[in-house]
Amino acid sequence: GENVEQHPSTLSVQEGDSAVIKCTYSDSASNYFPWYKQELGKRPQLIIDIRSNVGEKKDQRIAVTLNKTAKHFSLHITETQPEDSAVYFCAATFYGQNFVFGPGTRLSVLP
Amino acid sequence: KAGVTQTPRYLIKTRGQQVTLSCSPISGHRSVSWYQQTPGQGLQFLFEYFSETQRNKGNFPGRFSGRQFSNSRSEMNVSTLELGDSALYLCASRNEQGAAYEQYFGPGTRLTVT
Repeated sequence: GENVEQHPSTLSVQEGDSAVIKCTYSDSASNYFPWYKQELGKRPQLIIDIRSNVGEKKDQRIAVTLNKTAKHFSLHITETQPEDSAVYFCAATFYGQNFVFGPGTRLSVLP
Repeated sequence: KAGVTQTPRYLIKTRGQQVTLSCSPISGHRSVSWYQQTPGQGLQFLFEYFSETQRNKGNFPGRFSGRQFSNSRSEMNVSTLELGDSALYLCASRNEQGAAYEQYFGPGTRLTVT
């Protein structure tokens, strides 16, 4: 079955700096890779996603890149702000079924 | 559209008891998945229902079961509760029309087993 690894487990950055979180997956059949942000005490929220037929997707300050050959995808946050502090989860799935999540990255943006 | 809702939000149960959690998906969404979230294990997939049928199942014991009704609402049941079942239980719904893969989470039910 699919296995998703995520690094780093914790990340601290200065406000205004960039943050990068990387995930690797094992099943080459996976074709959809979402990223979720979970603030303390709240539900995971979908912030960006990418499909296997696309190499990069951007939405304002966040972007996701996918390398199918190496089976890894990354979340990039630029110009970080304190409200970006949260736990971020990546996931891999085959056509939206059997989502497998990474263990999460706790991002702290220091003012 | 209203988001995914879950009831109750908090539950305290005793070892050996059973519990039923409820999830109402986003209107029009027919796929409902359940996850267990714990600090040590992250988000673990329990099962997925679509059109009242269990379509996929994670690696959890048979004490964990679920069902889905004709209106797509879903319930999850845990029997003979153990201390290790204490967790946040999240459900998520998905619209399978077209090529929509996006999954949206409910606020979760925090279960504490004493």
